[in-house]
Amino acid sequence: NAGVTQTPKFQVLKTGQSMTLQCAQDMNHEYMSWYRQDPGMGLRLIHYSVGAGITDQGEVPNGYNVSRSTTEDFPLRLLSAAPSQTSVYFCASSYRTSGRGDNEQFFGPGTRLTVL
Amino acid sequence: RKEVEQDPGPFNVPEGATVAFNCTYSNSASQSFFWYRQDCRKEPKLLMSVYSSGNEDGRFTAQLNRASQYISLLIRDSKLSDSATYLCVVNGGGTGANNLFFGTGTRLTVIP
Repeated sequence: NAGVTQTPKFQVLKTGQSMTLQCAQDMNHEYMSWYRQDPGMGLRLIHYSVGAGITDQGEVPNGYNVSRSTTEDFPLRLLSAAPSQTSVYFCASSYRTSGRGDNEQFFGPGTRLTVL
Repeated sequence: RKEVEQDPGPFNVPEGATVAFNCTYSNSASQSFFWYRQDCRKEPKLLMSVYSSGNEDGRFTAQLNRASQYISLLIRDSKLSDSATYLCVVNGGGTGANNLFFGTGTRLTVIP
């Protein structure tokens, strides 16, 4: 299993540009999430999905869109990049929550994005 | 108030030392608790879940104190390879993909 993969690893954008961060997992996980990690802030949830065709907003969704057309893929779109979106972005997946509580989150290697 | 708070450190300890980290959480209804490890410029990875009765995995011991709303991680006989940032993760009282809250992490450096 490749686990959770993300592309690209690094990206530099100019203000106003758009782009898509790719995320894929091969573990047949129902849940997928996008987080951003900023110094002193911890990981913050941007958007999440509990299954194909179902997405919802997290804590910091503004400026981002997602879709989940398949179980495997969960791309994150930046609509019009701003310097405040400079961050490290992690995609994560997990099995659906069971009666025993939350399951382990598996993270991709991250995308380091700089917006000039 | 933040959902999860951790001492950011850094903790600099010699090899072989015992070190403990604490983490406090604000939601008394929280049900799931975890410690994740994050190496520099890498993704977080699960170190261990934290169970109500406390649990141990080799040199690592995790404890939960529901009354005081904190969890702890104890590392015995520290190794150089333990150098990393340790993230406290707590759920918000429900279940689901949108319900995990991450602390900012405690940085540990083990010195030869």
